[in-house]
Amino acid sequence: DARVTQTPRHKVTEMGQEVTMRCQPILGHNTVFWYRQTMMQGLELLAYFRNRAPLDDSGMPKDRFSAEMPDATLATLKIQPSEPRDSAVYFCASSEYNEQFFGPGTRLTVL
Amino acid sequence: KQEVTQIPAALSVPEGENLVLNCSFTDSAIYNLQWFRQDPGKGLTSLLLIQSSQREQTSGRLNASLDKSSGRSTLYIAASQPGDSATYLCAVPISNDYKLSFGAGTTVTVRA
Repeated sequence: DARVTQTPRHKVTEMGQEVTMRCQPILGHNTVFWYRQTMMQGLELLAYFRNRAPLDDSGMPKDRFSAEMPDATLATLKIQPSEPRDSAVYFCASSEYNEQFFGPGTRLTVL
Repeated sequence: KQEVTQIPAALSVPEGENLVLNCSFTDSAIYNLQWFRQDPGKGLTSLLLIQSSQREQTSGRLNASLDKSSGRSTLYIAASQPGDSATYLCAVPISNDYKLSFGAGTTVTVRA
């Protein structure tokens, strides 16, 4: 049963701390997406990669967010320094063609 | 810019009733449309993907139709069950990119 996995599932941290979220896409999927979901904004695309190369990260605040794919089985999203307004659920999704499959998300709370 | 609207925002029906969920989009030049389900505190589960060349797609009790010219898709859920209670989102690609534009979702409650 192929699934996208994300760690950690929950993270509580203090303002100013670094946060790293990890995602393992479905094996064989060559496109990976990072989304953020909040009550106010809904689902927003932060960045996405194809064949590990970043294609678009225009949805990310560049001064504090960074996304990478060190290898085909791992995508990371890092926030440094974190702020209370970053509190949200962060989802990773992967696809091979058109259909996107989502992970369970990382619920981030920044105090 | 592709804008996606879902109406109504919330829907409550008795068990056994058929559900009709609407999705509209502003740019009809889409490649496909995807319907998702999201349970509280969970991720999104893909339900159906309709390619632009298709007019409908079926999976079990779910049937999704697509009318590109009018910028609309409808998700039908037959004989609803309490387990169908969730938020349903539709999403379309932004132009020919991989990025999806999501609707705000319709939250469905099926009363036993």
